[in-house]
Amino acid sequence: GAGVSQSPRYKVAKRGQDVALRCDPISGHVSLFWYQQALGQGPEFLTYFQNEAQLDKSGLPSDRFFAERPEGSVSTLKIQRTQQEDSAVYLCASSLRQNSNQPQHFGDGTRLSIL
Amino acid sequence: GESVGLHLPTLSVQEGDNSIINCAYSNSASDYFIWYKQESGKGPQFIIDIRSNMDKRQGQRVTVLLNKTVKHLSLQIAATQPGDSAVYFCAEKIQGAQKLVFGQGTRLTINP
Repeated sequence: GAGVSQSPRYKVAKRGQDVALRCDPISGHVSLFWYQQALGQGPEFLTYFQNEAQLDKSGLPSDRFFAERPEGSVSTLKIQRTQQEDSAVYLCASSLRQNSNQPQHFGDGTRLSIL
Repeated sequence: GESVGLHLPTLSVQEGDNSIINCAYSNSASDYFIWYKQESGKGPQFIIDIRSNMDKRQGQRVTVLLNKTVKHLSLQIAATQPGDSAVYFCAEKIQGAQKLVFGQGTRLTINP
């Protein structure tokens, strides 16, 4: 498909386990974003990549959260030693260019449940 | 699927009527605004955007109005249809930054 693809769609993990969430942005999109959406809330920014460079990680809630985009395309969000408060929907978005006002296009997210 | 926005403000309209969803944004330095539609179990879907040098923009059945004086944004949906039922979010981008800051969201329900 032509949209942002995220996998897995659902992930259940036990507290303390590590998880990895994948994002395939729209082909050719330079900018990639990760957001966290708690139930009943709007998405909240986590981190931003321009190609392979992580330019803003100010929204990552702790050092247990790590994101990478090594080849400037696919990105992975990793959460180590998961805790119950990490339960949320993790959304990935991409946009065509950086430093311009372009819409961000979102995937359908990964719903993470920590038991 | 699990609902998005269980305790969000709700707007109920009759099918065929026009809907107006309002949003107050927070930062006077924001230069770009987007409206998204989010259905249950899905990601936010782009509807329409507007730059801060404009005060109105129209799309297909939708119009966005921007009032920078009072930092207010609205989304008008003409001839509301059952498929318009969803949670609607406004988002702002501060000049010089890349991230979007989302508002609380409004749940739109359509009465037949």
